[in-house]
Amino acid sequence: DTVLTQSPALAVSPGERVTISCRASESVSTGMHWYQQKPGQQPKLLIYGASNLESGVPARFSGSGSGTDFTLTIDPVEADDTATYFCQQSWNDLTFGSGTKLEIK
Amino acid sequence: EVQLVESGGGLVQPGRSLKLSCVASGFTFSNYGMNWIRQAPGKGLEWVAYISSGSSYIYYAETVKGRFTISRDNAKNTLYLQMTSLRSEDTALYYCARHGTEGPYWYFDFWGPGTMVTVSS
Repeated sequence: DTVLTQSPALAVSPGERVTISCRASESVSTGMHWYQQKPGQQPKLLIYGASNLESGVPARFSGSGSGTDFTLTIDPVEADDTATYFCQQSWNDLTFGSGTKLEIK
Repeated sequence: EVQLVESGGGLVQPGRSLKLSCVASGFTFSNYGMNWIRQAPGKGLEWVAYISSGSSYIYYAETVKGRFTISRDNAKNTLYLQMTSLRSEDTALYYCARHGTEGPYWYFDFWGPGTMVTVSS
């Protein structure tokens, strides 16, 4: 299985720019997608196909990368962005990263 | 507004069976592939199963193949997951999720709130 590695936690202040990374153990081309999961809620799609913003998602969110290295950027960060962010690849079967917990200071 | 509402979870003994349901509304259910995805307590996400819009294509994760069966009733706008030979490691929050349709990608564009399955004696 393709393993997706995410850093476990980040803490930033409102108004800052934050990048959340996801590294794949093998190339997944652009088959990378990002989700936001707020405490006690279901995941919400943010980005599909590495860089395509899902309809209704604020333009503060963006995605980039291809191959093995991917980034989700939030700029500027708002207090409401407190959540865990998961990456998911669909190029080699289907796997999720373990999530990055984002804290807004 | 797209809505997915799961039900059928609960406490079940190892080796027993359980059937989950997911009722969809706010979109044309028969036009979309659907998935079950689970999340063990405090853990990450694991895709479980997929069914195409007309039930022609069905796929399972290796961890549940042979034990779980995904199905759907388009007339009732309902997705199902029949789970048999349940194990403690099947304990999780089970989400119903709509299959994304853009490009060649496999992603999930709407999720229900989930239904909890606990396998324990």
